[in-house]
Amino acid sequence: RKEVEQDPGPFNVPEGATVAFNCTYSNSASQSFFWYRQDCRKEPKLLMSVYSSGNEDGRFTAQLNRASQYISLLIRDSKLSDSATYLCVVNVQGDMRFGAGTRLTVKP
Amino acid sequence: EPEVTQTPSHQVTQMGQEVILRCVPISNHLYFYWYRQILGQKVEFLVSFYNNEISEKSEIFDDQFSVERPDGSNFTLKIRSTKLEDSAMYFCASMEGETQYFGPGTRLLVL
Repeated sequence: RKEVEQDPGPFNVPEGATVAFNCTYSNSASQSFFWYRQDCRKEPKLLMSVYSSGNEDGRFTAQLNRASQYISLLIRDSKLSDSATYLCVVNVQGDMRFGAGTRLTVKP
Repeated sequence: EPEVTQTPSHQVTQMGQEVILRCVPISNHLYFYWYRQILGQKVEFLVSFYNNEISEKSEIFDDQFSVERPDGSNFTLKIRSTKLEDSAMYFCASMEGETQYFGPGTRLLVL
C-alpha cells in the first residue's frame, strides 16, 4: 500500500464549480498534514495545513479524520488560476511524504 | 519575503560525472531537505539535515549522494557518479515550525 494515496485525477471542471480531493495515508505515526499545490515545472507551495478540527481559508476547506487516516480538500467557486496539481503531504516523524498529486484543470 | 534559492536552475552532465547542486535556505531555518521529482512522477524525499548532520535519509539516498553545509549559508547535494536515472528536478527545502519552504529547483539532465 502506498504511504500517501490520492485520487488519480485528472479533474476537469468549469469555473465556479466545487471540487473535492481525497487522500489517505497508511502510517498511523503521521503527525501533521498539509495540502501543497504545484504548478507545472515549479516547486510545491504550501496551500494549507490540515487540522482535526477542520480549517478554512477563503474558498479552500481542509479536513482530517485521524481514525480513518483520511484527508480532504474542498475548493469552492473554482477559478482558472486554481489549475494546478494538488499534493497531499504527510509528516511522518519529521519527514514529509508526498502523494502523487491530483491534477486539476479549471476551464472557462 | 525571504525565500530558498537554488543554483544552477538547469544542469546538463554526462553519465559518470559528478554534480553539485547548491541551495541557500532561509537564514534562520534549522532543518534542511533535499527532494527529487522525476518528470511526471511524485516528489520523493532524499535526505534531511539538522545541526550539521544527516537526520534521516531514504533508500534512494545511497552512497553516490552526499550533503554538506560548507558554510553558514549554503547547503549542497553532491551526486558522485551520475546515472541516466538521476535525471530529475531536485528541490531543496528549509523548515520553520512544521512548514517547509521549497526552492525553485534544479533541473538535472544526465546524458
